[in-house]
Amino acid sequence: EVQLVETGGGLIQPGGSLRLSCAASGFTVSSNYMNWVRQAPGKGLEWVSVIYSGGSTYYADSVKGRFTISRDNSKNTLYLQMNSLRAEDTAVYYCARSLGGYCSGGSCYPGWFDPWGQGTLVTVSS
Amino acid sequence: DIQMTQSPSSLSASVGDRVTITCRTSQSISGYLNWYQQKPGKAPKLLIYAASSLQSGVPSRFSGSGSGTDFTLTISSLQPEDFATYYCQQSYSTPYTFGGGTKVEIK
Repeated sequence: EVQLVETGGGLIQPGGSLRLSCAASGFTVSSNYMNWVRQAPGKGLEWVSVIYSGGSTYYADSVKGRFTISRDNSKNTLYLQMNSLRAEDTAVYYCARSLGGYCSGGSCYPGWFDPWGQGTLVTVSS
Repeated sequence: DIQMTQSPSSLSASVGDRVTITCRTSQSISGYLNWYQQKPGKAPKLLIYAASSLQSGVPSRFSGSGSGTDFTLTISSLQPEDFATYYCQQSYSTPYTFGGGTKVEIK
C-alpha cells in the first residue's frame, strides 16, 4: 500500500528550528517528485516546496532561505528543515507525492499530488 | 506567480443537486489543473487531474473540464458524502498555487 506518514511537528518558539519527516512506504521517494504543502488553521492550502527526482528543489517565496527540503534514500524518507520559524508558519504540514510529473525543455511539471500524508501540526508561539 | 480565482467561496446545496465550481487562472496553464476534496480534519484527496481525468476510485458523478485559464469541477448529483471543501491547483509553474477553496454545505 502506498502511504506517507509525517512526524516531527510540535510547539516551537519564534526563531526556533524544527525538522519534519515524511516516511514513505509502497514506493521509492528518490524516484518521485515530492512536495510539502501546509494549511494554516482555518485557511486554505499553500504549496511550500518540491524536490524533483533529479534533486532540484524549489520553494515558495514565504519560506525561501529559511526552509530546506531533502530526502534520505536509505530511509525512504522526505524531510523539511524549518529554521527561523515565525508565527505565520503555524500550520498543518502535509507531504505529498507527485504523479505524472516530467521535465521538458528546461521546465519541470510536477503533475498531481497523490497520496498525501495525514499531516503534522507545527505551532510557532511563545 | 499564477493567481487562482476559485468561485464561489461557499455554496449551499441539496442532495441530488448539480453543483459547479469554477477556477480561473491569471495566465494560461494549458491543462495543468487538478482538483482536490478535503473534509474537516483530513488530508486533501485527489479527485481530478490534468483538468479532466478522473482519479481511480472517484465516483463518476465528479467531472472536470476546461483548458487555458478557465476550469470547472462539476458534481452531477450531490451526495451526502460530498459535503466538503474543494480546491483547484495549478501544476504549470512554481509556486504550484491552490485556489482559495469552495465549501459545499448542506441546504
